[in-house]
Amino acid sequence: AQSVTQPDIHITVSEGASLELRCNYSYGATPYLFWYVQSPGQGLQLLLKYFSGDTLVQGIKGFEAEFKRSQSSFNLRKPSVHWSDAAEYFCAVGDGNEKLTFGTGTRLTIIP
Amino acid sequence: EAQVTQNPRYLITVTGKKLTVTCSQNMNHEYMSWYRQDPGLGLRQIYYSMNVEVTDKGDVPEGYKVSRKEKRNFPLILESPSPNQTSLYFCASSPWPEVNEKLFFGSGTQLSVL
Repeated sequence: AQSVTQPDIHITVSEGASLELRCNYSYGATPYLFWYVQSPGQGLQLLLKYFSGDTLVQGIKGFEAEFKRSQSSFNLRKPSVHWSDAAEYFCAVGDGNEKLTFGTGTRLTIIP
Repeated sequence: EAQVTQNPRYLITVTGKKLTVTCSQNMNHEYMSWYRQDPGLGLRQIYYSMNVEVTDKGDVPEGYKVSRKEKRNFPLILESPSPNQTSLYFCASSPWPEVNEKLFFGSGTQLSVL
């Protein structure tokens, strides 16, 4: 069975500082990996996705993520966060069909 | 505007009183799905549908029913709600076969069962 672990429940970062959110997955084959963002009171929005090819993927809002097969990880990064990045972030793994499994989420707080 | 619309946005009810949360999409998507979101548990899939009259259980289907009589609508039915179904519910849709690639979410329905 596929699964996702987001070890950090809550992260606080100063505005302008760099960010890395961790995600580890478990999946038997080559995974489909995603990062979603949920702003307060909103549904989820896709930030980026990885299916194959270049292991460093670029997404919207200046985010990027790197797929590391050896570490079963797909960490999300941003070089300089903005106050508007405060949200909850979900990593997800898919099987390429209808099954998508989400992690428990990481809440990001930005301090001035 | 392409969107997934859920109603109501907020709902408070009592144990045992049947309720329906509606979900409608205007993108002609084949795939639709329901999730519940609980603190510390993330999103868990309740039911999904790959097309009209085709539905299947997700990870946590107990206590829920769905139907897919039309392509655009995918209502979630709680025949006899219980307090452990208090949660934030999301509907999502996607074209087939790009289910995992282009998943659009509604804004959510916060349900409280007293």
